[in-house]
Amino acid sequence: DGGITQSPKYLFRKEGQNVTLSCEQNLNHDAMYWYRQDPGQGLRLIYYSQIVNDFQKGDIAEGYSVSREKKESFPLTVTSAQKNPTAFYLCASSIEAVYGYTFGSGTRLTVV
Amino acid sequence: GNSVTQMEGPVTLSEEAFLTINCTYTATGYPSLFWYVQYPGEGLQLLLKATKADDKGSNKGFEATYRKETTSFHLEKGSVQVSDSAVYFCALSDRVTGRRALTFGSGTRLQVQP
Repeated sequence: DGGITQSPKYLFRKEGQNVTLSCEQNLNHDAMYWYRQDPGQGLRLIYYSQIVNDFQKGDIAEGYSVSREKKESFPLTVTSAQKNPTAFYLCASSIEAVYGYTFGSGTRLTVV
Repeated sequence: GNSVTQMEGPVTLSEEAFLTINCTYTATGYPSLFWYVQYPGEGLQLLLKATKADDKGSNKGFEATYRKETTSFHLEKGSVQVSDSAVYFCALSDRVTGRRALTFGSGTRLQVQP
């Protein structure tokens, strides 16, 4: 079955460390996205990519970096420059945004 | 820029009650509109969508009609169940602007009591 997989489900990081969240899809979707969700709040766009080797900043890109070397993969690195990284991170993919997204099950990152 | 405004929650209803969750939007062009549902600790699932004015999206007893004149896409269900308890997000995708990503509302938590 096709789908989108995020790993790990829970992640703990010490302050000052970089951490990479994995997102893989086998839906043959061109576009992939990263959103951040904080308790009681909506989703805020971090980065998105329409094609391999190309990506655009979203609304809250500072302190994050991404790569898109393969169509199937869109990893997100949370760097030490991100002031408040504790959040629920959601990855999504689509043929094109106007058709809607398929979401992964999310990664909950906690800074300890 | 684009924006989506949802009614604040939580919305608390008794089982079999009628549900309405309001959603209004601001967009440059003619967006596609979506409702997503999120259960605790999970990602979002597409509930329904509409791509042009007067379209009605429907799924699992939920309905929403794309109203261009009022820029609204309110979610309704005639009889809610305890299993409908979740957070509901309204979203839009605008074909006109260069931002080719969904814009989400802040979400509305629904609690259905037996």
